[in-house]
Amino acid sequence: AQSVTQPDIHITVSEGASLELRCNYSYGATPYLFWYVQSPGQGLQLLLKYFSGDTLVQGIKGFEAEFKRSQSSFNLRKPSVHWSDAAEYFCAVGPRMDSSYKLIFGSGTRLLVRP
Amino acid sequence: DTGVSQNPRHKITKRGQNVTFRCDPISEHNRLYWYRQTLGQGPEFLTYFQNEAQLEKSRLLSDRFSAERPKGSFSTLEIQRTEQGDSAMYLCASPGQGPTGELFFGEGSRLTVL
Repeated sequence: AQSVTQPDIHITVSEGASLELRCNYSYGATPYLFWYVQSPGQGLQLLLKYFSGDTLVQGIKGFEAEFKRSQSSFNLRKPSVHWSDAAEYFCAVGPRMDSSYKLIFGSGTRLLVRP
Repeated sequence: DTGVSQNPRHKITKRGQNVTFRCDPISEHNRLYWYRQTLGQGPEFLTYFQNEAQLEKSRLLSDRFSAERPKGSFSTLEIQRTEQGDSAMYLCASPGQGPTGELFFGEGSRLTVL
C-alpha cells in the first residue's frame, strides 16, 4: 500500500538551533516528493519538491531536503530555525508514471520553537 | 497567494443541514482537486476534475457528497445532511505549471457541524 510516515508528531527546538523532520514513504516506484507547510487555519504552502537530479533540493525560507532512495526517505532540514517557522509540516508523495497529481500526505509534524 | 480562492472560509452548521463550498482555481489549469483534512491529520484526496469531467472519486466521498465543475471553471462541493464527522477543512488545489506533480492549495473552507 502507498503511504507516507512522519514518525514525529511534535518537535520542539530552540530558536537558532538546527532542525530535521523525518519522512519515509512506501510507494511502487520512486515518486515525486514534496514538503508543505501549514500555519494554523491556513492552506498548505509548497516548501520544496524533488522530481529528478540532485538528491539535495533547496526550497523557500532556507529549507532543504535530501532524497535517499535506499532508505525511502525525504527528510527536511534547516540549519537555523526562526520563531516564524513554527507551523505544521507535511511530507507528500505523488505519482511519477501517471498524470493524476494525486498526492498522498503524511499525518504531519508540528514544530514548536522555543525563544 | 497561490491563486486558488475558496469560500466561505468558515462555515458552522447544524447536523442535517446542507452546505456548499466553492473553489475558483488558477485559471489556466484544466485540472482541479478537492482534499479533506481532519484535525491532526494530513490532507486526504477526495476527487478531481479535468475540465468539467469528474475523473476520480475517493471512497471517502459518500453519496451525501457531490462535486461539480460546470463549464470547467469554478467547482462546488456540496455536502447533504451533514454529520458531525464531516467537520473538517476542505481544500481545493490546482496543479503546478510543469510536469513535476505539485499541487497549489487554496486557504481552505473549514466546516464545523454542531
